[in-house]
Amino acid sequence: GQSLEQPSEVTAVEGAIVQINCTYQTSGFYGLSWYQQHDGGAPTFLSYNALDGLEETGRFSSFLSRSDSYGYLLLQELQMKDSASYFCAAPNSGNTPLVFGKGTRLSVIA
Amino acid sequence: EAGVTQFPSHSVIEKGQTVTLRCDPISGHDNLYWYRRVMGKEIKFLLHFVKESKQDESGMPNNRFLAERTGGTYSTLKVQPAELEDSGVYFCASSQHRGGPYNEQFFGPGTRLTVL
Repeated sequence: GQSLEQPSEVTAVEGAIVQINCTYQTSGFYGLSWYQQHDGGAPTFLSYNALDGLEETGRFSSFLSRSDSYGYLLLQELQMKDSASYFCAAPNSGNTPLVFGKGTRLSVIA
Repeated sequence: EAGVTQFPSHSVIEKGQTVTLRCDPISGHDNLYWYRRVMGKEIKFLLHFVKESKQDESGMPNNRFLAERTGGTYSTLKVQPAELEDSGVYFCASSQHRGGPYNEQFFGPGTRLTVL
């Protein structure tokens, strides 16, 4: 089976940088993905790491360390619209269902 | 290109009643997944279709839940009879079926089910 652990809540100031960590225990692991969900909305894909290292997409970056079973999502230049829940998730393979962490609720304050 | 759509967006029913949720995946996506998020908890997998076949239904909580995907297009998830603990948001997601390390799953907006 798989389990992913992430903090339940994070608060950060507009314009700042925030890091959301995710640790995982898996019987099979292909990579770590991150999803964003605004209240009442659909989870939307942010990033995927199959290999160790940092993937950067605009203000968002994601990191993976397979040896540490650890990853994180880094959000820079925070904006109020970044307030949402962020989920790490892992598939066993390309077509298998996602196993999600419980989500981290990010609140961006002025 | 249209995204994943789900109907209804909200449903409020009484315990013991029946509800049917519908999901229309992105055209051409053979993989269709059902997930559920109960208040305050993680999004949990329910069922995976590849075309019209059930690939994995290990997440279905019990036999009150029945999912179908006739013709390999849209899917329905029926809850009969509904219980209080079935309340939550039901998400549908779809992806292309291909080899490789990752196929991005595209999620619908969800159906918020409230059982009273």
